[in-house]
Amino acid sequence: GAVVSQHPSRVICKSGTSVKIECRSLDFQATTMFWYRQFPKQSLMLMATSNEGSKATYEQGVEKDKFLINHASLTLSTLTVTSAHPEDSSFYICSARDWGVNQPQHFGDGTRLSIL
Amino acid sequence: AQSVTQPDIHITVSEGASLELRCNYSYGATPYLFWYVQSPGQGLQLLLKYFSGDTLVQGIKGFEAEFKRSQSSFNLRKPSVHWSDAAEYFCAVVPAGQGGATNKLIFGTGTLLAVQP
Repeated sequence: GAVVSQHPSRVICKSGTSVKIECRSLDFQATTMFWYRQFPKQSLMLMATSNEGSKATYEQGVEKDKFLINHASLTLSTLTVTSAHPEDSSFYICSARDWGVNQPQHFGDGTRLSIL
Repeated sequence: AQSVTQPDIHITVSEGASLELRCNYSYGATPYLFWYVQSPGQGLQLLLKYFSGDTLVQGIKGFEAEFKRSQSSFNLRKPSVHWSDAAEYFCAVVPAGQGGATNKLIFGTGTLLAVQP
């Protein structure tokens, strides 16, 4: 149980392109989803917290107009990197948690984004 | 400052040997504690978690962790390491009082485990 699917697993695109990444909870309803960014050989940095039906909460230093997050249903959240540039190249990982106190986060397999 | 520390960036053990990965936290109240494992190019898998109660927690894949309040530690252990355990291991916390609300995970810097045949 508690499977989170993230798609696509890898994206290579030109500078200036917008890229959408999907995060789905397959066997549970995720009231809250999280988006992380991971640089090579580093830990995960939380970018934003996404609650179904409301605006995402962004961490300090994360541009909300650059990283658009939509959590339109209890099983789907999307992250759109708008007008991507080479410095946006990174490994993006989503996670989702079920409703209730003390529910752990379950992670997707990540998306490797490479901007040329 | 509140933080999660994994002192060992890289550890190499022989297959069959025991393993202990260290994790220390600096929060006023005991946070919720987690260990995750990440294989190359993949997401994170939850190994085990501690919220309260018995301080020795059993997880998947033969891992266990012990919470020691006096040392602000939550070290991960495995009695006999397998080659498939080679991966990166992250300790993470949810600060006390946030477990039912944001559940915002704060990660340590990770420990890369290599297993020698």
